[in-house]
Amino acid sequence: SQQGEEDPQALSIQEGENATMNCSYKTSINNLQWYRQNSGRGLVHLILIRSNEREKHSGRLRVTLDTSKKSSSLLITASRAADTASYFCAPSGGSYIPTFGRGTSLIVHP
Amino acid sequence: GAVVSQHPSRVICKSGTSVKIECRSLDFQATTMFWYRQFPKQSLMLMATSNEGSKATYEQGVEKDKFLINHASLTLSTLTVTSAHPEDSSFYICSARPDYGYTFGSGTRLTVV
Repeated sequence: SQQGEEDPQALSIQEGENATMNCSYKTSINNLQWYRQNSGRGLVHLILIRSNEREKHSGRLRVTLDTSKKSSSLLITASRAADTASYFCAPSGGSYIPTFGRGTSLIVHP
Repeated sequence: GAVVSQHPSRVICKSGTSVKIECRSLDFQATTMFWYRQFPKQSLMLMATSNEGSKATYEQGVEKDKFLINHASLTLSTLTVTSAHPEDSSFYICSARPDYGYTFGSGTRLTVV
């Protein structure tokens, strides 16, 4: 299986600041997805980036992918208290089943 | 986009009873679905891979007789937690793969009392 590991494990910022979290993986991928999980809730799909893409934007989200370093980053700009959640990356390639790390727990203070 | 629907979202059951959780792919066919479990403040752990028309593949350490998986159609997989105990209380999430990646259900919070 293909596992993503998120870093840092915890991130605490003030509202309006940017939040950056990283994901590393070990084998080749076809795409990588980022998910958000609010406390006690299910996973919400945020964005998918394909292996031939280097950067992708969606609203206040910016995702980068560096396949040579086997890493991805998720940037949330102008963060809001509602962005408080855990964030997981899910690398996927071929028949690999995505497995998850512990995620990055983001707290945005109002 | 591809949607996976999971039901129920929350269930409370008595110790010793069985609980069934359903996972449906709404707008695509899923020959394979995946079941995860998540304990509080922990990662999502892959439990098993559900295969339409054949036996499920369980991850090491997961009791197949306790977590019964049935994938009888191309759009439905069920996970039955048999003889549930308080330690089975957890958050269960299913996933399926449309053509471009993996889509996850919203999860089922199981509480065994």
